[in-house]
Amino acid sequence: RKEVEQDPGPFNVPEGATVAFNCTYSNSASQSFFWYRQDCRKEPKLLMSVYSSGNEDGRFTAQLNRASQYISLLIRDSKLSDSATYLCVVSPWSWGKLQFGAGTQVVVTP
Amino acid sequence: DADVTQTPRNRITKTGKRIMLECSQTKGHDRMYWYRQDPGLGLQLIYYSFDVKDINKGEISDGYSVSRQAQAKFSLSLESAIPNQTALYFCATSDSSGGDGYTDTQYFGPGTRLTVL
Repeated sequence: RKEVEQDPGPFNVPEGATVAFNCTYSNSASQSFFWYRQDCRKEPKLLMSVYSSGNEDGRFTAQLNRASQYISLLIRDSKLSDSATYLCVVSPWSWGKLQFGAGTQVVVTP
Repeated sequence: DADVTQTPRNRITKTGKRIMLECSQTKGHDRMYWYRQDPGLGLQLIYYSFDVKDINKGEISDGYSVSRQAQAKFSLSLESAIPNQTALYFCATSDSSGGDGYTDTQYFGPGTRLTVL
C-alpha cells in the first residue's frame, strides 16, 4: 500500500465550477501536510500548507481529517490556469522529510 | 535568475555510462534533496543532506551516489546508468531555520530529464 494515495483523475471541470478531491495517508503519526501544484513536467511548487483547523487561500480551501487520515483540496470558481496536477504531500516526521502522492490531475475547460 | 538550478536540463546516455547531475542554489538553504519522478508515481527521495557533512540515503538510493561540495551545491551521480533510471530528476532545498516549526517548505529546481538507452 502506498504511503500517500490520490485519485489520479483527470477531473474535468468547467471554468467557474468547483472541484474537490481527497488524499489519504497511511501513517497516523504524520505531522505536516501540504498541497503542491505541478504543471506539466515542471517542478512542484507549494500551493498551501494544511492546518488542523482547515485553511483557505483565496479560492483554495484545504481540510485535514486526522481521524480518517485524509486531506482534501477544494477549488472554487475554477480558472483555466488552475489546470495542473495537485500533489498531496505528507511529512511523517518533524524534520523535513516529505512523502509525495502521485498527484491528481485537474483540467479546467472553457 | 532562478534560485535553484539544475544542469543539464536534458540528457540522453547509454547503459553503463557514468552520469553526474548538478544542483546549485542561491537561497542560502542548508538542506538539499534529490528526487526522481516516474509517470504515475509520486516523487521518490534518493538522497538528502541536512548540511555539508551530513548525507543520508533516501527510499531508493541503490545505483546512485551524491556529493555535497558546498552548502550551495549538491550533485547526484549514476555510476553505471541503466534504462530503469530513465526519469525526471528534481533537486530541492529547504531551510531548517524557517518553516512552521515542524517541517520546512521545499523549493524545487526545474528538473533534469534523463534518458538511458
